[in-house]
Amino acid sequence: DAKTTQPTSMDCAEGRAANLPCNHSTISGNEYVYWYRQIHSQGPQYIIHGLKNNETNEMASLIITEDRKSSTLILPHATLRDTAVYYCIVTYSSASKIIFGSGTRLSIRP
Amino acid sequence: NAGVTQTPKFQVLKTGQSMTLQCAQDMNHNSMYWYRQDPGMGLRLIYYSASEGTTDKGEVPNGYNVSRLNKREFSLRLESAAPSQTSVYFCASSEGQGFSVGNQPQHFGDGTRLSIL
Repeated sequence: DAKTTQPTSMDCAEGRAANLPCNHSTISGNEYVYWYRQIHSQGPQYIIHGLKNNETNEMASLIITEDRKSSTLILPHATLRDTAVYYCIVTYSSASKIIFGSGTRLSIRP
Repeated sequence: NAGVTQTPKFQVLKTGQSMTLQCAQDMNHNSMYWYRQDPGMGLRLIYYSASEGTTDKGEVPNGYNVSRLNKREFSLRLESAAPSQTSVYFCASSEGQGFSVGNQPQHFGDGTRLSIL
């Protein structure tokens, strides 16, 4: 699986867009980019995933660069409930498991 | 709408005791996973089961055994608990089977907080 690099921590003002970057420069053509988050003391929660195209769902948008070496998770209107650790994961579609890294701790300030 | 259910939620053991952590999912998922999370760290995969009847080691399998009892249930056993196994344990499941699970999101339980004295 390709290795990912994320900032250790970030903060964002409530109501603003939170943009979380992830570098995955060794990603292969058939590896997906996944984002999960973990709110304090809870199990991780799936947010979104993509292969090549940008993706959007009710929670967030995922922007993948054309060369696929990096991506950005966008929370369009951050709220205090979005305070969590966000994990960027890259994995093959043929993989039987995923490996979590250390993630980015996002703090939303009032 | 239960999803993934883990029992117990909390447990305290003495060194050398044995215990089984239970996990059940009601989403008819094929794959199930056990992770541990130590304070301030990300999740580490202990064991996984890509389909009913199969189990495989993850990153940190030593000291643990697993049983995929049926499609719904995947248990994790500590035969002789050690203080180093104090952690929060998460169970997860996903729809994909075998080697096509990479693009299927995993659904997690709320965790079992285990302390070993």
